Amino acid sequence: DTAVSQTPKYLVTQMGNDKSIKCEQNLGHDTMYWYKQDSKKFLKIMFSYNNKELIINETVPNRFSPKSPDKAHLNLHINSLELGDSAVYFCASSQTGQGGYTFGSGTRLTVV
Amino acid sequence: AQSVTQPDIHITVSEGASLELRCNYSYGATPYLFWYVQSPGQGLQLLLKYFSGDTLVQGIKGFEAEFKRSQSSFNLRKPSVHWSDAAEYFCAVGAFGGGADGLTFGKGTHLIIQP
Repeated sequence: DTAVSQTPKYLVTQMGNDKSIKCEQNLGHDTMYWYKQDSKKFLKIMFSYNNKELIINETVPNRFSPKSPDKAHLNLHINSLELGDSAVYFCASSQTGQGGYTFGSGTRLTVV
Repeated sequence: AQSVTQPDIHITVSEGASLELRCNYSYGATPYLFWYVQSPGQGLQLLLKYFSGDTLVQGIKGFEAEFKRSQSSFNLRKPSVHWSDAAEYFCAVGAFGGGADGLTFGKGTHLIIQP
């Protein structure tokens, strides 16, 4: 069983479209995250969410919105996609009071 | 605010030679430190992590790292590199047990192995 799974692995779409990336964790963790890795390989946190509170990195455009249907899922919705949104997006999870962060394998988004 | 500095953007090492990748961090509490490796087109693989205890930490693939609180450093080492070690290496810092800030990553060091 994959601990943190993301789908799809690859996503190619046109500018202006709306798309979603799904993330599921089966670790029972209470906190989930989305990270963006840009073309220069820099990894930056976009959101953290722990059932009660959503923390948004102030640099993230409001076209990006995380949605959590339950504790095990944190999906990423992106509206009106732009060329600059092309990147690899990683989902991750952790448990309050315990060590470790577990990452998914990433979703490579290409906007054309 | 927490931050990580990896001063070397690229490092070239001959196969069989020793390796040290530098990492300096800034963190307001007890740091939880990580090294990840990313091969081209792949995800993040955890090499090792440190929170407390022995300041010399052993990881996978023959890597080790040493925590030096006085220098705010967590340098990664390997005594003899293999061609398969060519990859991007990331140092990261965060709170033990997650938290809203998650992990903060350095900008990475690209390791090139010469035959």
